[in-house]
Amino acid sequence: GQNIDQPTEMTATEGAIVQINCTYQTSGFNGLFWYQQHAGEAPTFLSYNVLDGLEEKGRFSSFLSRSKGYSYLLLKELQMKDSASYLCAGMDSNYQLIWGAGTKLIIKP
Amino acid sequence: ETGVTQTPRHLVMGMTNKKSLKCEQHLGHNAMYWYKQSAKKPLELMFVYSLEERVENNSVPSRFSPECPNSSHLFLHLHTLQPEDSALYLCASSQQGPTGANVLTFGAGSRLTVL
Repeated sequence: GQNIDQPTEMTATEGAIVQINCTYQTSGFNGLFWYQQHAGEAPTFLSYNVLDGLEEKGRFSSFLSRSKGYSYLLLKELQMKDSASYLCAGMDSNYQLIWGAGTKLIIKP
Repeated sequence: ETGVTQTPRHLVMGMTNKKSLKCEQHLGHNAMYWYKQSAKKPLELMFVYSLEERVENNSVPSRFSPECPNSSHLFLHLHTLQPEDSALYLCASSQQGPTGANVLTFGAGSRLTVL
């Protein structure tokens, strides 16, 4: 079956770095997405990886290893506003999104 | 208005009521989606409309009925719901292209409580 695994909750300190991991099993693979969702708000697109390697966008970076079925989202210089849920989604051979349950990130001062 | 807007933001209904959720996108996208989001569970895709034609219906109970009158509007009609249908209902839109790997733009959701 198809599955996305990511930790339920993580805690980090303001100014620090945090890595949110995601492992995926999909029927075929057409890329991996990360979305951010603040409480009570819409999920918003963060990144899309389809090739191996690290893609950096300011304080956020996303990594993909297709051979390992693994991705991570790296957040640097954490700010209180980064407290949110982070959703990982893999795209299968039919371009269907398989979603993880999300990782709730709590930032402490 | 910009992006994807959903109304109402909150809805409480009894099991015998009939209500509708509305979604409007101002992005010129050609596909619209309904998702169900329950606490600590993955997003569940309910319906997909591409160019106003329903292209996906993921075994959703008939008490949920979608309607897409044009490419900018999407409705979810609700009838005789069950308490387990209480959840956040998210609407999304995207511009479907040849690669299929399109980015979704979500609305803020309609929080539904069924008593």
